[in-house]
Amino acid sequence: DQQVKQNSPSLSVQEGRISILNCDYTNSMFDYFLWYKKYPAEGPTFLISISSIKDKNEDGRFTVFLNKSAKHLSLHIVPSQPGDSAVYFCAASGTSYDKVIFGPGTSLSVIP
Amino acid sequence: DTAVSQTPKYLVTQMGNDKSIKCEQNLGHDTMYWYKQDSKKFLKIMFSYNNKELIINETVPNRFSPKSPDKAHLNLHINSLELGDSAVYFCASSQAGRRYLSYEQYFGPGTRLTVT
Repeated sequence: DQQVKQNSPSLSVQEGRISILNCDYTNSMFDYFLWYKKYPAEGPTFLISISSIKDKNEDGRFTVFLNKSAKHLSLHIVPSQPGDSAVYFCAASGTSYDKVIFGPGTSLSVIP
Repeated sequence: DTAVSQTPKYLVTQMGNDKSIKCEQNLGHDTMYWYKQDSKKFLKIMFSYNNKELIINETVPNRFSPKSPDKAHLNLHINSLELGDSAVYFCASSQAGRRYLSYEQYFGPGTRLTVT
């Protein structure tokens, strides 16, 4: 039973354009969400997070939007750069939930 | 200066053998984790230790036994290896425990285990 879903296994975007990666979750206990980025043969690295008390968090080119009623979040990368090509994992957790649950990842390719 | 390190990076072994993977973090974190990334690329939590105390133990076969000699180290020992154990194993650490809202985790580079 996947509690965190990333329905797009892959995404290709032109350099300079916006990349939008989507994530859906099912567990209402989740109140903290994170995005991780992973290059081949490396471990995931933390990118950005958002608490359920917010609907938007921005860090440079990266913005995460949270829609609690729809149980949906998205990661926007603007402008996209070739170095952004990686697998992006959405993850969810909460103050009443000890674990972090990861989605299956979306592989982003930014084409020069 | 590596924050979370794992050894070995690659491990090829035969069915039935016993092997260990070591993990060390120099971030001063209280909590360490083991994750398994299977062939479908899902990252699944296996174990979590907070200050040497086991706090998460997912439905993992008894053949897997974590050991935390101190809060900077969390090793994973696997007995009687099976073909299905082939995967990439990631160690991670965080400052988080039940008291913290931040769940940012720092991952090691992974250990690719291949059982033949």
